[in-house]
Amino acid sequence: IAGITQAPTSQILAAGRRMTLRCTQDMRHNAMYWYRQDLGLGLRLIHYSNTAGTTGKGEVPDGYSVSRANTDDFPLTLASAVPSQTSVYFCASSEESGTYNEQFFGPGTRLTVL
Amino acid sequence: GQNIDQPTEMTATEGAIVQINCTYQTSGFNGLFWYQQHAGEAPTFLSYNVLDGLEEKGRFSSFLSRSKGYSYLLLKELQMKDSASYLCAGTDSNYQLIWGAGTKLIIKP
Repeated sequence: IAGITQAPTSQILAAGRRMTLRCTQDMRHNAMYWYRQDLGLGLRLIHYSNTAGTTGKGEVPDGYSVSRANTDDFPLTLASAVPSQTSVYFCASSEESGTYNEQFFGPGTRLTVL
Repeated sequence: GQNIDQPTEMTATEGAIVQINCTYQTSGFNGLFWYQQHAGEAPTFLSYNVLDGLEEKGRFSSFLSRSKGYSYLLLKELQMKDSASYLCAGTDSNYQLIWGAGTKLIIKP
């Protein structure tokens, strides 16, 4: 593995189903982030983690949950998917949170909720 | 409120120079980032400014004026591969990034 990987690459999901998007990094970065990107809108932060064992809510956390059991993994769970959660989801990481937190992005997961 | 504004789309000619502007309003300020995003791909880091002035990095330069809440990305000697979206992002008081919607740059031969 080099950098950040996300799985699945794309997914079509029925409304009401539970879904976990996976994210793994091998750079030993302390901080990790989940964003969604919708046409015409900027990246919006869903949840973040400044270090393993801690998480925080971003701009649009409702309907999503995260966990950070170790440094490398940061899964995002949709407990009961709704069509408004159709989006491209990017996981990112940075060496630290704080000033100059250059973020490295995974390839994204394209999720469609029907 | 917090807001990042940048033009939706710009067109330029191969070999020319283009300037992409960004104005920001954030609850705190700890620096401004520019990222490049090709269609269907992830954003990649281009530049970071925290002090006023111009930062040059090859064909790309980024400028910041903290007093005006203004930044621009300058791309010189445009190449077809520069066709992409350019994302401006400012940091808030919690060091999280607030992102603009991106400027889609179209390069014509």
